[in-house]
Amino acid sequence: EIVLTQSPATLSLSPGERATLSCRASQSVGTYLAWFQQKPGQAPRLLIYDASNRATGIPARFSGSGSGTDFTLTISSLEPEDLAVYYCQQRGNWPLLTFGGGTKVEIK
Amino acid sequence: QVHLVESGGGVVQPGRSLRLSCAASGFTFRSYGMHWIRQAPGKGLEWVAVISYDGNNKYYADSVKGRFTISRDNSKNTLYLQMSSLRAEDTAVYYCAKDDGIAAAGTVYWGQGTLVTVSS
Repeated sequence: EIVLTQSPATLSLSPGERATLSCRASQSVGTYLAWFQQKPGQAPRLLIYDASNRATGIPARFSGSGSGTDFTLTISSLEPEDLAVYYCQQRGNWPLLTFGGGTKVEIK
Repeated sequence: QVHLVESGGGVVQPGRSLRLSCAASGFTFRSYGMHWIRQAPGKGLEWVAVISYDGNNKYYADSVKGRFTISRDNSKNTLYLQMSSLRAEDTAVYYCAKDDGIAAAGTVYWGQGTLVTVSS
């Protein structure tokens, strides 16, 4: 089983600041790594797939990078509406999926 | 557009069974694999099961293997999750999600979820 570890658990930043979220896999998943945003009471929304591809309609301030076991989601300039929990998901052993434990982004 | 609507959730006693449904529309259902993913209250996302487009291949998380069964009826554009021997730890919102395939973006579309509460 591929385990995903996200850090930090919580990130508290002010609007306009840069947010950097990390996801580490227990074994290589190539570039089959996605990032999701989940706001309270809503279903998760796909932001990034295949490590660095923005999904349709996702603002350019969201970007992803990495390969193998280490991945990063960057929000270049935080907006108040970016308050959410962010999850990484691997499909390196597709069709099985695994999710990370999540990073909560708080806006100061 | 793609629309996924889960139903069948509710309160059920430990050890009992429940069947969830996911009605799909806006795409050719019989051409895509489908997942069930759950989220316990205040917790993270947990993948539960996946079924291939034709129903011939099914995979489960270890936590539900032997108790849950995923199935589909392509004539009705509906995905199912039969849950038996339910435990308190199965309490969660259950989402269905469409799998666009390994060569595409993956699980782009999700339903809004249905809440299952296992309690006496």
